Amino acid sequence: ETGVTQTPRHLVMGMTNKKSLKCEQHLGHNAMYWYKQSAKKPLELMFVYSLEERVENNSVPSRFSPECPNSSHLFLHLHTLQPEDSALYLCASSPEHTDTQYFGPGTRLTVL
Amino acid sequence: DAKTTQPTSMDCAEGRAANLPCNHSTISGNEYVYWYRQIHSQGPQYIIHGLKNNETNEMASLIITEDRKSSTLILPHATLRDTAVYYCIVRTLRSGGSNYKLTFGKGTLLTVNP
Repeated sequence: ETGVTQTPRHLVMGMTNKKSLKCEQHLGHNAMYWYKQSAKKPLELMFVYSLEERVENNSVPSRFSPECPNSSHLFLHLHTLQPEDSALYLCASSPEHTDTQYFGPGTRLTVL
Repeated sequence: DAKTTQPTSMDCAEGRAANLPCNHSTISGNEYVYWYRQIHSQGPQYIIHGLKNNETNEMASLIITEDRKSSTLILPHATLRDTAVYYCIVRTLRSGGSNYKLTFGKGTLLTVNP
């Protein structure tokens, strides 16, 4: 257990659905991250929030919409996804002055 | 951040030491060496990091060569649960609200055999 939880752990959705992934950490960290891991590909950083402000957005399509309401919670809102968006979505957090990131278990997303 | 090169896969017998190499010949003076691992279908897990001195914690030891162009992660007594992909990452420390990115390559798949 890293102290970072993600729900749901598995999600199957159609291309017209809207769903949200949730990440929660109670480690007192103030940076939170969304990564995508497709089959047989390296992890790709999607978004970074620091002190609840988005500080990085790595050319992610607008069908992925992040939200960070407070320093403990991070959401990824999904709408009109494509089958190629099927992947493991990982959340991570880190303290302010270190580069050690703590990852959640991930949400396995399948888009039909 | 400097690029790293790792073998695609390695095998190790249970109970023996696993030595995972990483080449980072273009590393600069202010770049740290980080190691993470990812067990199948789980999130990556931080293992250890260092700048130029050797480091040890409860999980592993990190040996960095004097010229810092390569390093070795040592798991002293590998168990079946250590089977995972091990990532060597070289990067500068984050400062002033920038450089949040950890660049994960393909890593080394370590298989610990009974």
